[in-house]
Amino acid sequence: DSGVTQTPKHLITATGQRVTLRCSPRSGDLSVYWYQQSLDQGLQFLIQYYNGEERAKGNILERFSAQQFPDLHSELNLSSLELGDSALYFCASSDQGTSPLHFGNGTRLTVT
Amino acid sequence: AQSVTQLGSHVSVSEGALVLLRCNYSSSVPPYLFWYVQYPNQGLQLLLKYTSAATLVKGINGFEAEFKKSETSFHLTKPSAHMSDAAEYFCAVSDRSSNTGKLIFGQGTTLQVKP
Repeated sequence: DSGVTQTPKHLITATGQRVTLRCSPRSGDLSVYWYQQSLDQGLQFLIQYYNGEERAKGNILERFSAQQFPDLHSELNLSSLELGDSALYFCASSDQGTSPLHFGNGTRLTVT
Repeated sequence: AQSVTQLGSHVSVSEGALVLLRCNYSSSVPPYLFWYVQYPNQGLQLLLKYTSAATLVKGINGFEAEFKKSETSFHLTKPSAHMSDAAEYFCAVSDRSSNTGKLIFGQGTTLQVKP
């Protein structure tokens, strides 16, 4: 158990809809990272938050946004969903820049 | 910019045989390197990490990796494969140039272990 909790485990929705993925980091970790895993793109970094502030941005679409709340949990919002957004979305956390990332079990999003 | 390349998207070995999963990195600064394992329907689990201490790094489940600067490699090995080692393995480099701690992953190698 990595200590990182992601909900829900599975999400099935239709094109054009909006969903919210939730992540609770390990106790004490200030950084939260979001990754998207798909067969064709592999593991792609989306965005990072550190103690409530956006720290780094990767290949995140404009339709996607995230935030980190004062209690350090994070949410990834995906809107105007397309079939190609179907993927496994991982959240990871760490306590500082040189520490390894600890991953949650992911949310599998299926867009129909 | 940092990047990693995993040679071989699929590796098959017999139970008890040597496991060798290849990873080469590209980095403009001394890298921090990691190997993660992903079992079906699970998240990524850290196997081991290199952060500029000893070049031979020992991890969990009998895995180890050797950092070779001259070859820009960080190959993962295990002397004797077990059926439970069947999984997908990812090599990753830390993006130290941005000092954010984010990891850049290779495309992954699926390890199959045959009885």
